[in-house]
Amino acid sequence: DVKVTQSSRYLVKRTGEKVFLECVQDMDHENMFWYRQDPGLGLRLIYFSYDVKMKEKGDIPEGYSVSREKKERFSLILESASTNQTSMYLCASSFSGRLGEQFFGPGTRLTVL
Amino acid sequence: KNEVEQSPQNLTAQEGEFITINCSYSVGISALHWLQQHPGGGIVSLFMLSSGKKKHGRLIATINIQEKHSSLHITASHPRDSAVYICAVRSGGGNKLTFGTGTQLKVEL
Repeated sequence: DVKVTQSSRYLVKRTGEKVFLECVQDMDHENMFWYRQDPGLGLRLIYFSYDVKMKEKGDIPEGYSVSREKKERFSLILESASTNQTSMYLCASSFSGRLGEQFFGPGTRLTVL
Repeated sequence: KNEVEQSPQNLTAQEGEFITINCSYSVGISALHWLQQHPGGGIVSLFMLSSGKKKHGRLIATINIQEKHSSLHITASHPRDSAVYICAVRSGGGNKLTFGTGTQLKVEL
């Protein structure tokens, strides 16, 4: 079974703090994704990585950065958290090809006060 | 306008009812996905379609490529089917998906 894990289920941070969200997958997938999910907006892609040290901006990269130093791990960084970054953050991974099937982590609900 | 539109946004059904959720998209696609998200956040893949029809238990997914439309059907619905159902499309040979905003389904006893 594919397993995608995220470092925290719930996180509360203060405005201006640096926040790290970690995602680990155990299926040797090339691709990893970070999304945020907000009511009425669905899942929106923040960043995408197709290989170690490679990254590509998604639809809403502003205020975020990412790091992929190892194939199995993809980190999302909020350099200076703001209240409008309060959201559910979901990580996913996939093989290249395979019609794009993605496997999702359980999500991290981040609240920025 | 969103590239992927789902309807309805919210649906309440009685146990045993036949349910249909619709997805329309505006771009050429190589695959369409139906996903399920239970309260608490976890998302699982139900179907991947590039043509025709697939069935898994009480769930059936169909796609009409010419009309750019897909439907997800649930037969003999049950309260445990209560979840958000999400349609997503893959365009071309890329690895990214574009998601609809989801349909919140509640099945009551």
